Amino acid sequence: GQSLEQPSEVTAVEGAIVQINCTYQTSGFYGLSWYQQHDGGAPTFLSYNALDGLEETGRFSSFLSRSDSYGYLLLQELQMKDSASYFCAVGVGNQGGKLIFGQGTELSVKP
Amino acid sequence: DGGITQSPKYLFRKEGQNVTLSCEQNLNHDAMYWYRQDPGQGLRLIYYSQIVNDFQKGDIAEGYSVSREKKESFPLTVTSAQKNPTAFYLCASSMVASPNQPQHFGDGTRLSIL
Repeated sequence: GQSLEQPSEVTAVEGAIVQINCTYQTSGFYGLSWYQQHDGGAPTFLSYNALDGLEETGRFSSFLSRSDSYGYLLLQELQMKDSASYFCAVGVGNQGGKLIFGQGTELSVKP
Repeated sequence: DGGITQSPKYLFRKEGQNVTLSCEQNLNHDAMYWYRQDPGQGLRLIYYSQIVNDFQKGDIAEGYSVSREKKESFPLTVTSAQKNPTAFYLCASSMVASPNQPQHFGDGTRLSIL
C-alpha cells in the first residue's frame, strides 16, 4: 500500500527554525511535494523535490532522500503568519497527476 | 485574475438527495481534481481528469460522480449512495496531469447533512 507519516503537531516561537518531517511508503514514487493550508482555506503549493537534496525558496526549504524514503520541510525565521497545517504529498507515476497526501502537521507559532 | 472558483461555499443535503458541487477554472489547465478533507485529516482523491472528456476514479470514488465536458469545468455530484458525505470538498487544477506540476486549489465547499 501507500502511506505517509508526519507529526500531527509542532510548536515553535517567532524567529525560530522548525523542521517538519515526512516519511513515505509507496510504489511508483514520483516526487515529494509540500502544501500549506491555513485554517479552513485553500491549500497552496510550497515546493517539489524529485531528486535527492535541498531545494530553497526564500524562508522555506525542502529536502528529499529517496534512499531513506524521507523528506522534510524547513521553515526559517518563523512568523506568526506561518501558523498553518503543512501537508507532504507523494506523486504516483503513471497515474496522471495523482498525489497521495499525508495527514498534515499543524504548526503553531508563538510570540 | 486567473484561478479556481468553487460554489457554493456551504451546501446542505437532505437524506436521499443528490447534490452537485461546481468547480470552474480559467487557468487553461488540462488536469482537474476533486479531493475530500475530513476534520484533522489530509486530502483524499475522489476523481481526477487529465483532459477534457476523460476522468478516472481516485481512492474514494464510491458514491460520487463527475463529468468533464468542458476544459474549464469539472462538477462533482455527491449521490445518495454516499452515506457519509459531510466533509470539506476541494477542487484543484494543474497545467498538465503530472505529479511534478503544482496543483492550484479553490476555496472549497463545505457539505453538511440536514
